[in-house]
Amino acid sequence: GAGVSQSPRYKVAKRGQDVALRCDPISGHVSLFWYQQALGQGPEFLTYFQNEAQLDKSGLPSDRFFAERPEGSVSTLKIQRTQQEDSAVYLCASSTGGGQYFGPGTRLTVT
Amino acid sequence: AQSVTQPDIHITVSEGASLELRCNYSYGATPYLFWYVQSPGQGLQLLLKYFSGDTLVQGIKGFEAEFKRSQSSFNLRKPSVHWSDAAEYFCAVGDHGGSQGNLIFGKGTKLSVKP
Repeated sequence: GAGVSQSPRYKVAKRGQDVALRCDPISGHVSLFWYQQALGQGPEFLTYFQNEAQLDKSGLPSDRFFAERPEGSVSTLKIQRTQQEDSAVYLCASSTGGGQYFGPGTRLTVT
Repeated sequence: AQSVTQPDIHITVSEGASLELRCNYSYGATPYLFWYVQSPGQGLQLLLKYFSGDTLVQGIKGFEAEFKRSQSSFNLRKPSVHWSDAAEYFCAVGDHGGSQGNLIFGKGTKLSVKP
């Protein structure tokens, strides 16, 4: 069956540009998570949805970060006015209770 | 505070040798524990998980892990390492099987395999 997919896989943005990262979870998975992984580090939690409800956004580093999942399936993570410190791999995961299953990630480079 | 510690940043083993990767956690509630593997440029693949019951759990690719509550540890083992096991390994802790809250990850252990 299809796993979690993310697009684009790579994104280069100039400082100050807005970016949008997409996540397609495993079909039927109610829970969806976004993580940020800096180089040489483990993933760090950003935000969590259950269906279309955003239940936890405590990990979003600033109000420039915004996530949505309007129909309870596909999710978009948007970063406004990108800064160099936003350069990282952004991972999406979905779950139905047996663990979280991750997509391949989007590598964002801000120049 | 909730945390996961992987004391070894980098481990090198010879192909065919046994492997043990260490993981210690600090978690207030009953922990659900996971090991993930990440190859370069890839996402994380779930190797195994512990929710309850038998403290020795089997995973994919011949890996196993043992939960020791008294030591707050969940070490990953493999009896004979293959060159294809070279990757980065992450231990994580969460609750509700990972469906109702975020996972907390360690910083990872990079495994190199010598021929």
